[in-house]
Formats: sequence, C-alpha cells, structure tokens
Amino acid sequence: TQLLEQSPQFLSIQEGENLTVYCNSSSVFSSLQWYRQEPGEGPVLLVTVVTGGEVKKLKRLTFQFGDARKDSSLHITAAQPGDTGLYLCAGGPGSEKLVFGKGMKLTVNP
Amino acid sequence: NAGVTQTPKFQVLKTGQSMTLQCAQDMNHNSMYWYRQDPGMGLRLIYYSASEGTTDKGEVPNGYNVSRLNKREFSLRLESAAPSQTSVYFCASEKGQGGGNTIYFGEGSWLTVV
Repeated sequence: TQLLEQSPQFLSIQEGENLTVYCNSSSVFSSLQWYRQEPGEGPVLLVTVVTGGEVKKLKRLTFQFGDARKDSSLHITAAQPGDTGLYLCAGGPGSEKLVFGKGMKLTVNP
Repeated sequence: NAGVTQTPKFQVLKTGQSMTLQCAQDMNHNSMYWYRQDPGMGLRLIYYSASEGTTDKGEVPNGYNVSRLNKREFSLRLESAAPSQTSVYFCASEKGQGGGNTIYFGEGSWLTVV
C-alpha cells in the first residue's frame, strides 16, 4: 500500500512568515497533486505535478516534485490569513488508486 | 455552475438505520468517487465508478453500497449504520481516469451515527 506522509501536521504562524510543508513516500508516483480544503468545504485542487524535478508556481505558492517522484513540497511565501486551511497532497498511478496524505492544518494569524 | 452537489449536508442516524447519500455532477464527467474523511486519517476512498454502469471497491468499502444511476448520479448507501461510520463524506468527479486530472469535490455530508 502506498503511503504519503505529510509534515508538519499542524502549523500556526503570523502573517508575513514563510513556510514549507512536505509530502514524502517510499513509493514512486506518476503524478502528485496538492489540494487546499477550507472548513466546511471539499478539497480544491491547487496544482498537479507529473515530472520529476518539476517546479510550479501559483502566485505566492511554489510546488516542487522530487527528482525520484517520491516526494513533494509546498512553499508559501509571505503567508496571509486567507491561506488558512488544510493542505492535502495526493498521488497515485491513477485516480482510482489516488492516495491522500493526512494533511497539514495551517493557521495564519493576522 | 453547480459542479458536484451532494445531499444531505447533515444527518444524524441511529445505529442500525439505513440511509442514502445522493451525489450529482453537471460536468459530464465519466468517473465519480465517494470518500470519507476522518480526523487524523485523511481522505479514504470508499467506492468509485469509472463510467456509467460500473462500480469498484476502494480502500474502505465494508458497510457501504453504491449505485451509478446514470452518468450524472452516484449514490452511497449505508444499509445498517454503525457508530464507526460517523464521518464526513465527500463525493467527487473527474473527466477521465488517466491520473493527473482535476478531481472536483462536493461540499461534504456530515453524518453522525449514535
């Protein structure tokens, strides 16, 4: 069974700080996705990475897929209260076998 | 633009009762999924349907049944609810199953079994 370990599990920071959340596995994934989930809502896709070493940027968010396609990171620059939420990584050979990490709960205090 | 709609939003059941969670998508997607989300466990796949007329078990199918009624609708049934099925349930859909596609989630159904 493929497992995705996310760290840290919880993070509370002040507005303006930077942070990095990690998603690690011993398995190789064909693609890896990052989602953000706000309270009372379903997860919303932020990005999909498919190539080892790939880096994608979405405004203040930078996503990286490891060279070996076993790990990924999400870096947020100058966090804002609107970034508060649960960040989930998910990977797999296909959607029917998509494996989700347990998530990282981020709180950004004004 | 409704996307994925699931009902009910909240439900309280007594142990042994049955109920059906309804899900519909208006994006003409082929694949649909049911997940449950529990604290500290992340999202776990219950059942999925790759296309109309087909369903397959996911990671945690025990105690559940599903029906892909047509391309739009995918329902999840609890025949005899147990406290262990207290959870938040999410329906999702996807255009294909090639991996790397965008999966769209509903807003969730909060189920409590007492």
